[in-house]
Amino acid sequence: DTGVSQDPRHKITKRGQNVTFRCDPISEHNRLYWYRQTLGQGPEFLTYFQNEAQLEKSRLLSDRFSAERPKGSFSTLEIQRTEQGDSAMYLCASSIMGLVSRGEQYFGPGTRLTVT
Amino acid sequence: AQRVTQPEKLLSVFKGAPVELKCNYSYSGSPELFWYVQYSRQRLQLLLRHISRESIKGFTADLNKGETSFHLKKPFAQEEDSAMYYCALLTTSGTYKYIFGTGTRLKVLA
Repeated sequence: DTGVSQDPRHKITKRGQNVTFRCDPISEHNRLYWYRQTLGQGPEFLTYFQNEAQLEKSRLLSDRFSAERPKGSFSTLEIQRTEQGDSAMYLCASSIMGLVSRGEQYFGPGTRLTVT
Repeated sequence: AQRVTQPEKLLSVFKGAPVELKCNYSYSGSPELFWYVQYSRQRLQLLLRHISRESIKGFTADLNKGETSFHLKKPFAQEEDSAMYYCALLTTSGTYKYIFGTGTRLKVLA
């Protein structure tokens, strides 16, 4: 296991198109988080899963965004009808939440989205 | 409101000088605080967490609930400490999500 992976690493799309990103977490990690990061800002929480259940979704997230984690393994983040304001780095992180570990997050390399 | 504030976008110090990266938080519950670091061309990684009360790479951070602060300190900065540092709060009431500050870029000058 080489850590959290994300695909693609870069995506350029035209406004109005749909895009989908994939995140493969570290095996056995039961929590998976999605973040968005723009220039000069820290990671902004979007949503997170515990196993296959989506437990929280940011109120800042419009209904154009949807995420899934079927079978509690990999996750996908889809953005429909992209807008230029969606241009950002999308980060995925996984963690294991248990009695001992409060959940150190392991981050992926991110997917950089550019909407033209 | 749940918030993490890092007032400095950039902090420049000379090698061997002490470093303090400031972090203040706002959270009504029992906070868990972390420092994450991102070195050039690398992914974000955990530096330290308050609950462990440990020193990593010479860095320490003490949670001060009275001042709602979690400042990161190192007595003698090294050039390899140059990186982006993010303070993060883990909410523990009901849901477990992380709130990050805007980050401070530390530059250690030779």
